[in-house]
Amino acid sequence: EIVLTQSPGTLSLSPGETATLSCRASQSVSSTYLAWCQQKPGQAPRLLIYGASRRATGIPDRFSGSGSGTDFTLTISRLEPEDFAVYYCQQYGSSPPRVTFGQGTRLEIK
Amino acid sequence: EVQLVESGGGLVQPGRSLRLSCAASGFTFDNFAMHWVRQVPGKGLEWVSGISWSSSPIAYADSVKGRFTISRDNAKNSLYLQMNSLRAEDTALYYCAKCSAYGNIDYWGQGTLVTVSS
Repeated sequence: EIVLTQSPGTLSLSPGETATLSCRASQSVSSTYLAWCQQKPGQAPRLLIYGASRRATGIPDRFSGSGSGTDFTLTISRLEPEDFAVYYCQQYGSSPPRVTFGQGTRLEIK
Repeated sequence: EVQLVESGGGLVQPGRSLRLSCAASGFTFDNFAMHWVRQVPGKGLEWVSGISWSSSPIAYADSVKGRFTISRDNAKNSLYLQMNSLRAEDTALYYCAKCSAYGNIDYWGQGTLVTVSS
């Protein structure tokens, strides 16, 4: 079973800065099967990135994903006030359909 | 517009059963795998179960295997989660989630709250 470890647990930054969030897998993961989602308080999660680097529909280009093997990164440039939220990486498989989530990184306003 | 609307949550005693439903619209339901994901308020996301478009294969988290059963009715555009032998640790907000063609979750419902308590 693959375990995803996200770091840092909490990241404190100011609007306009760049956030770098890490997701490390316990074993190699195909980049095809790595995604990131965002969750704001009281809301359902929202897909940001899939296939490690492909932005979902409607996601601004300030959000970018990269990585391969066991190390993946979500970068958020020019932080906007609405970007402060919790971010989860997820690894998925289709047969059988199964998902593993990281424990999340909380991005908070400094 | 993709819509996923969960129902069936509530307060239930330990050891009892509950059946969650998810009504899907805005996409061709029988083309996509579906999942249930849960979240204890204030905590992280936990995957519960997934089902392919054809109802096979199916997968469960170890924490619910043998107690929960996922199913779908493609004619009714509906996803279900039968939860038996409920425990206090099953208390959470349960989300219905749609898979994309690539296998990742791309849409989530708003969730239905399950509280297991005597």
